[in-house]
Amino acid sequence: EAGVTQFPSHSVIEKGQTVTLRCDPISGHDNLYWYRRVMGKEIKFLLHFVKESKQDESGMPNNRFLAERTGGTYSTLKVQPAELEDSGVYFCASSRYRDRDEKLFFGSGTQLSVL
Amino acid sequence: AQSVSQHNHHVILSEAASLELGCNYSYGGTVNLFWYVQYPGQHLQLLLKYFSGDPLVKGIKGFEAEFIKSKFSFNLRKPSVQWSDTAEYFCAVTSLSGNTGKLIFGQGTTLQVKP
Repeated sequence: EAGVTQFPSHSVIEKGQTVTLRCDPISGHDNLYWYRRVMGKEIKFLLHFVKESKQDESGMPNNRFLAERTGGTYSTLKVQPAELEDSGVYFCASSRYRDRDEKLFFGSGTQLSVL
Repeated sequence: AQSVSQHNHHVILSEAASLELGCNYSYGGTVNLFWYVQYPGQHLQLLLKYFSGDPLVKGIKGFEAEFIKSKFSFNLRKPSVQWSDTAEYFCAVTSLSGNTGKLIFGQGTTLQVKP
């Protein structure tokens, strides 16, 4: 089966610009998560979708970040306007079930550089 | 708040050396524990996990980890490393009663194995 795919793999933008990251989860996976790793720091949870609904967005840093999951399929994470501190690797993960045996499948990440 | 601490940020070993990566977590309740690995250019993948039962958990590629509840630790071990084990390793926890896909990660340990 195809894995979790993320686009683009790298993005370089200037401060103040807008960037949209995309995540295509594994087909049939209702759960979709976004994580972020700022350089030198730990990977941090951003938010969780169950189908098209935001289940938990407690990790979203501020209102410059907007996540959507239209139709419960792919998800986008938009940063507008981007700031220098938004640089990092953005990971997406998906899973089929939410129970103690939940297994997350991660994408390869999008490396975002804000100059 | 939950947190995960990985003791070593960068480890360099020669092939056939033994490996132990430290991980301690801070959380008052029951947790699920994980080790993830990210090989160069690849996505994060699950190495092993502990939910309950035998505190010595065996994972893929000869890795194992031991859960010591009294020490809040979940150290990763491998008796003899190979060059192909060069990667970044992440310890993570989730709350058993909360969102099972909301992982709290440590800062990661980069392992470099010299041939």
